[in-house]
Amino acid sequence: AQSVTQLGSHVSVSEGALVLLRCNYSSSVPPYLFWYVQYPNQGLQLLLKYTSAATLVKGINGFEAEFKKSETSFHLTKPSAHMSDAAEYFCAVSRNSGNTPLVFGKGTRLSVIA
Amino acid sequence: GAVVSQHPSRVICKSGTSVKIECRSLDFQATTMFWYRQFPKQSLMLMATSNEGSKATYEQGVEKDKFLINHASLTLSTLTVTSAHPEDSSFYICSASGTATGNTIYFGEGSWLTVV
Repeated sequence: AQSVTQLGSHVSVSEGALVLLRCNYSSSVPPYLFWYVQYPNQGLQLLLKYTSAATLVKGINGFEAEFKKSETSFHLTKPSAHMSDAAEYFCAVSRNSGNTPLVFGKGTRLSVIA
Repeated sequence: GAVVSQHPSRVICKSGTSVKIECRSLDFQATTMFWYRQFPKQSLMLMATSNEGSKATYEQGVEKDKFLINHASLTLSTLTVTSAHPEDSSFYICSASGTATGNTIYFGEGSWLTVV
């Protein structure tokens, strides 16, 4: 079975500060890993995905994540937070890319303080 | 990225009635669609997986007679909540994937259902 643990249900950073959202996964097979962002009352937007190619994945809006197999982690980072980054972020894992459903973490709400 | 559209975005229905939510892939053929339910401030819970032309596979605990899922074409899946009750009120989100998306899963905007 696959699972995802997101450490910290709420993270607060100052505008311009580093954003670090933590995600650890459990998977019996090589995982596909995703980060999605959800703005209030909206669906999910894909930020980035890891599908066994480069371990450092760059996504949209300046976000990136690094796959570390030894640590079973896929943390999301952004060097400088912007007010518009305030949202809910979900880490997800799947066995395959597209044909199997995503298993989501509980989400981390990011607040950005001016 | 690819576009997945849900309709309606918000719907209010009376208890005991049925309501249908549509999920369309606008610019690709969705061979697989997934339906999720999300309660306020919580994560997404997978309800079912549907492949075009096949019966949906429901997750444990999801009543298939209550949540009817149809995926009759490569661009449309529907979720019908039958005999709705107030506890069915929730945010329902569909997602879709296909070979043209590189097998990446894209999500719709979600549909708020309120049963009164």
